[in-house]
Amino acid sequence: DARVTQTPRHKVTEMGQEVTMRCQPILGHNTVFWYRQTMMQGLELLAYFRNRAPLDDSGMPKDRFSAEMPDATLATLKIQPSEPRDSAVYFCVVGGITEAFFGQGTRLTVV
Amino acid sequence: AQSVTQLDSQVPVFEEAPVELRCNYSSSVSVYLFWYVQYPNQGLQLLLKYLSGSTLVKGINGFEAEFNKSQTSFHLRKPSVHISDTAEYFCAVSGGGTSYGKLTFGQGTILTVHP
Repeated sequence: DARVTQTPRHKVTEMGQEVTMRCQPILGHNTVFWYRQTMMQGLELLAYFRNRAPLDDSGMPKDRFSAEMPDATLATLKIQPSEPRDSAVYFCVVGGITEAFFGQGTRLTVV
Repeated sequence: AQSVTQLDSQVPVFEEAPVELRCNYSSSVSVYLFWYVQYPNQGLQLLLKYLSGSTLVKGINGFEAEFNKSQTSFHLRKPSVHISDTAEYFCAVSGGGTSYGKLTFGQGTILTVHP
């Protein structure tokens, strides 16, 4: 959806490296979610923000994952250090209680 | 807490046949219900949503869904499918309370339309 731009689209990295995924929501959507999709677990909510404030990151492994929203048009999800089990597609989603718009996702492969 | 169960992981069907993808939900508060479609290597696209009002909701690509509060169901239907409908379909719920704004997804149903 044009409301959400995610970069990079694909990322291959070695175990132990830091990975940063970016999401640029169009102004006007004040809620940003990070979801992870895997074959085994389906779509899992990792964290979400409203008006740039973190509301819930209980789905995120705290020891290696961090999510921030430094301004209204940029959200980041970092993994440090990355592990093979982090291989998945990570989606940024913007919207609210009655609508949600997905980015194209970042396909992460950790080898 | 809210949850979504999609009762079929895979649904094969022949072209031009009708199809129903089943979804049940649970929630302790009022909910909003959604169906999304995902084509390979893409994000999810909204097919339709139920917010309030008429329990029969029409969406894009000829899909419709019926909200049944007593059975806590939101099944997706299409009277005649096309090859291009082959994709994965996700039912989702969002609601108020402590879950405000959070979308909870089912595990997905892979619809395969055969010629």
